[in-house]
Amino acid sequence: SQELEQSPQSLIVQEGKNLTINCTSSKTLYGLYWYKQKYGEGLIFLMMLQKGGEEKSHEKITAKLDEKKQQSSLHITASQPSHAGIYLCGAAVSNFGNEKLTFGTGTRLTIIP
Amino acid sequence: DVKVTQSSRYLVKRTGEKVFLECVQDMDHENMFWYRQDPGLGLRLIYFSYDVKMKEKGDIPEGYSVSREKKERFSLILESASTNQTSMYLCASSLGGATSEQFFGPGTRLTVL
Repeated sequence: SQELEQSPQSLIVQEGKNLTINCTSSKTLYGLYWYKQKYGEGLIFLMMLQKGGEEKSHEKITAKLDEKKQQSSLHITASQPSHAGIYLCGAAVSNFGNEKLTFGTGTRLTIIP
Repeated sequence: DVKVTQSSRYLVKRTGEKVFLECVQDMDHENMFWYRQDPGLGLRLIYFSYDVKMKEKGDIPEGYSVSREKKERFSLILESASTNQTSMYLCASSLGGATSEQFFGPGTRLTVL
């Protein structure tokens, strides 16, 4: 089965600093989804990547998928308190539609003033 | 905006009780999912449904059943709750197809005493 490993497991960053979260798969990723979760709440969709080398940005968050489609990174520029939460990557388990996703264990991000 | 609602945010039940968790989505999505989320284990898929009255087991279906009688509603049933089913339960829905992100509900934190 597909396994996703996220690193780091937790991250404490001073407000204004940049940070990167990684998601690595043991198999080829057919679709890679990034979600954010505020503590004790549901997941909010951030971005989805499908093609090798693809990069997407939304406000201060940029996500990339490597050419081999086995690793993705999420980069936050000039972090703010609103970025705090748990970031999860999810991957489609096949290329015949993306109905099922496998998730990483998450990265807990804390922003300190 | 897609809205996925769950019947309760917090629930406390006793061992052996039958528990129903309800999920409703309002965007005519084909697919619906039930996950549980535990510290260190991430999100794990319990069951999913790709059509009315259709269901498929996820990674951890033991001790659970589901019902999808109407397209917008997907119920998770714990036939006889046990303490190891104390967890955060998250429902999600997706349109279906190759670029289909999942939209999540706010979650139900279930405690079984």
